[in-house]
Amino acid sequence: DAGVIQSPRHEVTEMGQEVTLRCKPISGHNSLFWYRQTMMRGLELLIYFNNNVPIDDSGMPEDRFSAKMPNASFSTLKIQPSEPRDSAVYFCASSLGHTDTQYFGPGTRLTVL
Amino acid sequence: DQQVKQNSPSLSVQEGRISILNCDYTNSMFDYFLWYKKYPAEGPTFLISISSIKDKNEDGRFTVFLNKSAKHLSLHIVPSQPGDSAVYFCAASAIGTDKLIFGTGTRLQVFP
Repeated sequence: DAGVIQSPRHEVTEMGQEVTLRCKPISGHNSLFWYRQTMMRGLELLIYFNNNVPIDDSGMPEDRFSAKMPNASFSTLKIQPSEPRDSAVYFCASSLGHTDTQYFGPGTRLTVL
Repeated sequence: DQQVKQNSPSLSVQEGRISILNCDYTNSMFDYFLWYKKYPAEGPTFLISISSIKDKNEDGRFTVFLNKSAKHLSLHIVPSQPGDSAVYFCAASAIGTDKLIFGTGTRLQVFP
């Protein structure tokens, strides 16, 4: 059974460019989470959705970040414009319900030059 | 402001010995705690959890201890194996919320 799928696995872009990260949650899971991992702050929750509805986006750093979940099997995290300080590994996770065990994807390593 | 702190960025243990990973938290509203393990180039995977109504939970070689008065939890791995070498994240969630707050992780290396 497929786990959480993220694409791309690696992204290198230049400052000012738009970046879109993609996530396909595990089929049947109703909650989806976007995290960012950095050395200094560890894993930070950016936003999470329940039944495709954004529930808490208080972790989104600033207006340059936006996330959507148009249907139960797809979500995007967009950064526009990107900055070097956005360089990190971005993880998507899904769970059956919002309090159940979260299953993480392999992550997208983003480098902004 | 880190609500969940893992003050040891790394730990090195000999195979067969005990590994003890520590985690401190500041939010007294946290009532559920988890440990995740992460291998390079992979996402974190759930390892073990504990509710605040317990002070110990055991699963095979892994035991998590919770000391609520000290706001401290620890993960014990006995005996440690080379395959346990990974980054371990401590996480917590508060009553009435769905959010997991993670620490910065501890890199465990188990050498032969």
